[in-house]
Amino acid sequence: ETGVTQSPTHLIKTRGQQVTLRCSSQSGHNTVSWYQQALGQGPQFIFQYYREEENGRGNFPPRFSGLQFPNYSSELNVNALELDDSALYLCASSSQGGPGSTQYFGPGTRLTVL
Amino acid sequence: DAKTTQPNSMESNEEEPVHLPCNHSTISGTDYIHWYRQLPSQGPEYVIHGLTSNVNNRMASLAIAEDRKSSTLILHRATLRDAAVYYCILREMNTGNQFYFGTGTSLTVIP
Repeated sequence: ETGVTQSPTHLIKTRGQQVTLRCSSQSGHNTVSWYQQALGQGPQFIFQYYREEENGRGNFPPRFSGLQFPNYSSELNVNALELDDSALYLCASSSQGGPGSTQYFGPGTRLTVL
Repeated sequence: DAKTTQPNSMESNEEEPVHLPCNHSTISGTDYIHWYRQLPSQGPEYVIHGLTSNVNNRMASLAIAEDRKSSTLILHRATLRDAAVYYCILREMNTGNQFYFGTGTSLTVIP
C-alpha cells in the first residue's frame, strides 16, 4: 500500500509569484486535506476536497485554491505569494470525511518565499 | 479554532510510562478526540482516537474522562523514538469534521 506522497520536497519562490504543490493520496482514499504549518506552530487547516469538490475551508484567502482529480490526487495553488506564506505545506488523505476517520499525512513541501 | 489545551512541554525517562494530558472543556457529544504526533522534519502521524470509551492500540492508550472534558494519552514505555510533538485534536461534526491543531506538547525522552 503506497502512502501519501508530496512534491516537490522543497521550493523557493519570490514574492508575487505563483506556486503549485502536488499530493498523491493513499490508495483507496477519496478525501484530501491541505494544511499550512509555520515554524513552531501546529498545522492550520486550509481546505478539504471530497470526490473532486471542495468540502470545507479554513481561514485562508481566495488566493489559496485547490483541485482534486478523478484519481483523488490533489493540487494546492497559491497566487501572489507573500513572505508569510513561507511554511511547511502538508497534505493528508482519508477514506471518508466523518469525525471518526483517520487522516494520513504526507511528509510535506517546504516553501520558502523570498 | 483549536479547542484543546495541552502543556507546552514534558519530559520522561526512557522506559518509563508517559501521561500526556489534554483539556477540551467545550467538547460536544459528537466530537471525536484524536491524537497525532509529529517527529522532526516529518508530517503528523496518527496515534489513536476515541469518542467515549478508553481505547488501546499497539502504540498507546487513550483514557477519556467520564464527562469527556479531558483525556490522557498514555505511552506505556517511552523510547527515544517517542520524542515528538503530540497534538490532541477535537474533530467536530459542526465544523465539517476538520482537524484543528493547537500547538501541542513537545515530549523529550531522557536516556
